[in-house]
Amino acid sequence: QVLLVQSGAEVKKPGASVKVSCKASGYILSDYYIHWVRQAPGQGLEWVGRINPDSGRTDYAQKFQDRVTMTRDRSISTAYMELSSLRSDDTAVYYCARHLVAQKEYFDYWGQGTLVTVSS
Amino acid sequence: ETVMTQSSATLSVSPGERATLSCRASQYVTSDLAWYQQKPGQAPRLLIYGASTRATGIPARFSGSGSGTDFTLTITSLQSEDFAVYYCQQYNNWPLTFGQGTRLEIK
Repeated sequence: QVLLVQSGAEVKKPGASVKVSCKASGYILSDYYIHWVRQAPGQGLEWVGRINPDSGRTDYAQKFQDRVTMTRDRSISTAYMELSSLRSDDTAVYYCARHLVAQKEYFDYWGQGTLVTVSS
Repeated sequence: ETVMTQSSATLSVSPGERATLSCRASQYVTSDLAWYQQKPGQAPRLLIYGASTRATGIPARFSGSGSGTDFTLTITSLQSEDFAVYYCQQYNNWPLTFGQGTRLEIK
């Protein structure tokens, strides 16, 4: 079955970086973009960006353009999101989600989420 | 960016009744609208895409309608497991954006 399994919770200090992984299984990785969406405590959903696992091409929300890097390792079917210069308002659950390359950008499978806490 | 506004932050409905949730886009999004359900501690789950197409495995009591800027998610005969937070998402314009969510609670 389709699974997106994310790495575990992280606690970081302000100014540090965090790298979250998302391992895909049960489908052909190159057929789907991987997106990252975050959710601050008690808040709604915010799109961060996406990566094409086949080409490696990335697109980021302007808000995160200067601080986020998305990569992938096709050999282990894993996508990564690194966020730098962390601030307290980056505290959130970060989800990976997929959308079929040939279709429009709604997300049929999501990872379980990774809580990133930024605190001094 | 396209701002998605869900008209109710909280909606109180009795089990067995019908719930109607609304979502409005600040710009035209054609039918590029999805609905998700999220329960505490869980990732969102896709319910509806293309404004009205149910995702795989979604019960027929969930239905979506609308196009352009105004959309509705209707849940008939509410079951206990339907009480959750619901989000709309547009994917017609860049960047992708979500509504702020409607919490459906038991009346």
